[in-house]
Amino acid sequence: GDSVTQMEGPVTLSEEAFLTINCTYTATGYPSLFWYVQYPGEGLQLLLKATKADDKGSNKGFEATYRKETTSFHLEKGSVQVSDSAVYFCALSGGSYIPTFGRGTSLIVHP
Amino acid sequence: NAGVTQTPKFQVLKTGQSMTLQCAQDMNHEYMSWYRQDPGMGLRLIHYSVGAGITDQGEVPNGYNVSRSTTEDFPLRLLSAAPSQTSVYFCASSYQAGGERTDTQYFGPGTRLTVL
Repeated sequence: GDSVTQMEGPVTLSEEAFLTINCTYTATGYPSLFWYVQYPGEGLQLLLKATKADDKGSNKGFEATYRKETTSFHLEKGSVQVSDSAVYFCALSGGSYIPTFGRGTSLIVHP
Repeated sequence: NAGVTQTPKFQVLKTGQSMTLQCAQDMNHEYMSWYRQDPGMGLRLIHYSVGAGITDQGEVPNGYNVSRSTTEDFPLRLLSAAPSQTSVYFCASSYQAGGERTDTQYFGPGTRLTVL
């Protein structure tokens, strides 16, 4: 079945540092890929998505590229802020009604 | 649009009590689902629905019931609350992107449930 693996956290960075959160997936066919963000005390919200190979999703300075050859969708940001502290979930939507989520990676950004 | 709304935001129950967590969406989405989120466990799917009158079990359905009488509403019922059901519950909705694939999930703000 489909699966999503993302790096365990927490990831702790200083403000203005470069961020990478790794995400790899297993799926049949050509899934859509997503990154969701969950701020403290809130529900998940879409950060960015990509629907086909080589697509790049971007939003709020975050980027991720759909790499079919490496089955990856790594999240990157060039300069993180304290306000980026949150939990980040990688997810895929393949050939069923049920999306598959990774277990989440907590990001802590210090001033 | 209000998006996905959930009530209540917080709830404390005693073991054995029953209650219903409410979820509503105003986006005319076919697909709705319930998740629970526990520390270190990520999101676990409880039940889902692909349209009014159609529901199915997810990964952890025991102790929970759902129904979908309208497109807008998808309540989750705890039949006899247990301390193991202490968790944060999220409702989500989505539209179908084609075939059985769903697109972006829209999440509610969550219900924080404690069972004593």
